Amino acid sequence: GDSVTQMEGPVTLSEEAFLTINCTYTATGYPSLFWYVQYPGEGLQLLLKATKADDKGSNKGFEATYRKETTSFHLEKGSVQVSDSAVYFCALREGRRALTFGSGTRLQVQP
Amino acid sequence: GAVVSQHPSRVICKSGTSVKIECRSLDFQATTMFWYRQFPKQSLMLMATSNEGSKATYEQGVEKDKFLINHASLTLSTLTVTSAHPEDSSFYICSAIRTDQETQYFGPGTRLLVL
Repeated sequence: GDSVTQMEGPVTLSEEAFLTINCTYTATGYPSLFWYVQYPGEGLQLLLKATKADDKGSNKGFEATYRKETTSFHLEKGSVQVSDSAVYFCALREGRRALTFGSGTRLQVQP
Repeated sequence: GAVVSQHPSRVICKSGTSVKIECRSLDFQATTMFWYRQFPKQSLMLMATSNEGSKATYEQGVEKDKFLINHASLTLSTLTVTSAHPEDSSFYICSAIRTDQETQYFGPGTRLLVL
C-alpha cells in the first residue's frame, strides 16, 4: 500500500538557517503530494502541494519539488524564523482517497 | 478558505460512557469526510471514510461497533465513541473534501480523555 517516510525529528535550527526536511513516498499510482503544518495547539494546515511530477509547490518561503525519479518531496526553506516552529507532515493522496501521512517532523527554531 | 469545525474541542468522560464528536463543514458541502486519530507526538492514523448517505468504510483494525460514524448530511459527520475506555483517550481529527475541489480540509481536533 501507499506510505510516506519522513526524517526523524526534532530538527533544531537557529533563526535564518536553511531548512531541509526529507520526505520519500511509495505509491501504486500517481499521487498528489502535500506538506501540512501543525502549529502548537492548532489543527493541520495545508502548507503546499504538487499534483504531478516536476511540479514545485511553494508558500510562505517554503518549497518542495515532486521528484518522481527519486519518489521524493523534500521541504526546503532558505531562512527559517522562530514562528516556523511547528510539526511538519508530508502526505500523499491518490484520487479522492484519504491522505496518507508521514510520521511528522518537529522543527524548533531558536532565536 | 474552507472551514471545518469540530465540537467539542475537549471532553473528559468516565469509563463506560459514550461520547459524540461533531464535524461540520461550515461554508462548503462535503460528500466525503474522514476521521483520524493522533497519538501524542505521532502521525495521523486514518480510522474511517464517511460518505454522505452511506455506511462508513473503516480501516483495518478499527472497530466499527465501537466507533460509530454517521454522515447524515453534506455538512455534518459525527463520530461516537461507545463505551469509552482509557485506551480510547486520544486526539480525534476530522477532515472533509470539498465536493467541487480536491483539497482536504482539517478540523481543529477533539481531545478525548477517558478516566
